[in-house]
Amino acid sequence: AQSVTQPDIHITVSEGASLELRCNYSYGATPYLFWYVQSPGQGLQLLLKYFSGDTLVQGIKGFEAEFKRSQSSFNLRKPSVHWSDAAEYFCAVGDPGTYKYIFGTGTRLKVLA
Amino acid sequence: DSGVTQTPKHLITATGQRVTLRCSPRSGDLSVYWYQQSLDQGLQFLIQYYNGEERAKGNILERFSAQQFPDLHSELNLSSLELGDSALYFCASSPLAGGQDTQYFGPGTRLTVL
Repeated sequence: AQSVTQPDIHITVSEGASLELRCNYSYGATPYLFWYVQSPGQGLQLLLKYFSGDTLVQGIKGFEAEFKRSQSSFNLRKPSVHWSDAAEYFCAVGDPGTYKYIFGTGTRLKVLA
Repeated sequence: DSGVTQTPKHLITATGQRVTLRCSPRSGDLSVYWYQQSLDQGLQFLIQYYNGEERAKGNILERFSAQQFPDLHSELNLSSLELGDSALYFCASSPLAGGQDTQYFGPGTRLTVL
């Protein structure tokens, strides 16, 4: 069965520090992979997505993610975190066969001034 | 602003009652998705409609039902409500039906069952 794992429930970083949020998935083929961000009281917003091709994808707000097939991972990175990045981040897998999305449990990011 | 609207923003009701949540997708989007977000279950996919037809079903209870109308808006009906149904319900829309589509999320409806 498909699954998405975000091992870190909470992460705290200082403003200006680098960030990496982990995402591992279980899927028979290469799924469609997404990262979404949810600010407090808001809906989810797409940061970036991967379907095929270059394994390093760039997204909005300075985020990037790298697809590593051998590790079944799609980790999200940002070189320098801003206080406004404090939010909850969700990794998701899209199944092209069933049209279903599976979301990870989310990682809540806290940014220290 | 994603372009997806949901009404109402907040809903407070009692156990055993029935409620209807409404979603208007972005202009031109044919697919509508419903999700439930709760503290203990996380973000759970409930159901997807594409151009009026059910396309995919997730962890949706039998007490819950949905439909998509000819004008593409969608309604999620929750009946025989239980305390555990208290959650944030999101609607999302996408242009087509494929798993590669970006989903645009609405602001959600917060349901509280007392």
